[in-house]
Amino acid sequence: KNQVEQSPQSLIILEGKNCTLQCNYTVSPFSNLRWYKQDTGRGPVSLTIMTFSENTKSNGRYTATLDADTKQSSLHITASQLSDSASYICVVSVWEGGNKLTFGTGTQLKVEL
Amino acid sequence: GAVVSQHPSWVICKSGTSVKIECRSLDFQATTMFWYRQFPKQSLMLMATSNEGSKATYEQGVEKDKFLINHASLTLSTLTVTSAHPEDSSFYICSARDGPQSSYNSPLHFGNGTRLTVT
Repeated sequence: KNQVEQSPQSLIILEGKNCTLQCNYTVSPFSNLRWYKQDTGRGPVSLTIMTFSENTKSNGRYTATLDADTKQSSLHITASQLSDSASYICVVSVWEGGNKLTFGTGTQLKVEL
Repeated sequence: GAVVSQHPSWVICKSGTSVKIECRSLDFQATTMFWYRQFPKQSLMLMATSNEGSKATYEQGVEKDKFLINHASLTLSTLTVTSAHPEDSSFYICSARDGPQSSYNSPLHFGNGTRLTVT
């Protein structure tokens, strides 16, 4: 069964600190992996998308890594800001007669003063 | 950048009535749109895939007669919750693929969701 598991489930950090969110997946055949940021009561916004051949991709203070061999990805947030408080969702795409997405349950990040 | 507009952002309706939610791609043509529902502190759950000009494909366990999907144009898909009940109260989100269905790396843009409350 295709699954995407994220950890930690929730995280509280102080403003200015860095943090790393984890995503492990069992999806096969793997197509790509996306990280989204979802503010409360809003739709998800894309941060990065990586194919199996990409190891890392950055978007401002967000850096995603991918290890297709171990089926793990991480999202590193540098110099966190209060506005980074949101749910971060890992989404893995499998190519099954079309592009099917499997959503992780998300990591709820709270950045405090 | 690409924008997906979802309307209304919130709606309150009485039990037994129907509610229509619109999802529009504003600056690109979306041959495929997706509808999700999301319960508090849970991730998005795909309800159905909407392809322009054809019938929607529903996920297992989703009642197609209750959640009517229409994708009549390349920029508009609608979800109608028929005979709504309190258990249908949820956050409904649409997304649209910016690119051909055959391209597995096509960006996926999400609307801002619709909060449905059925009283």
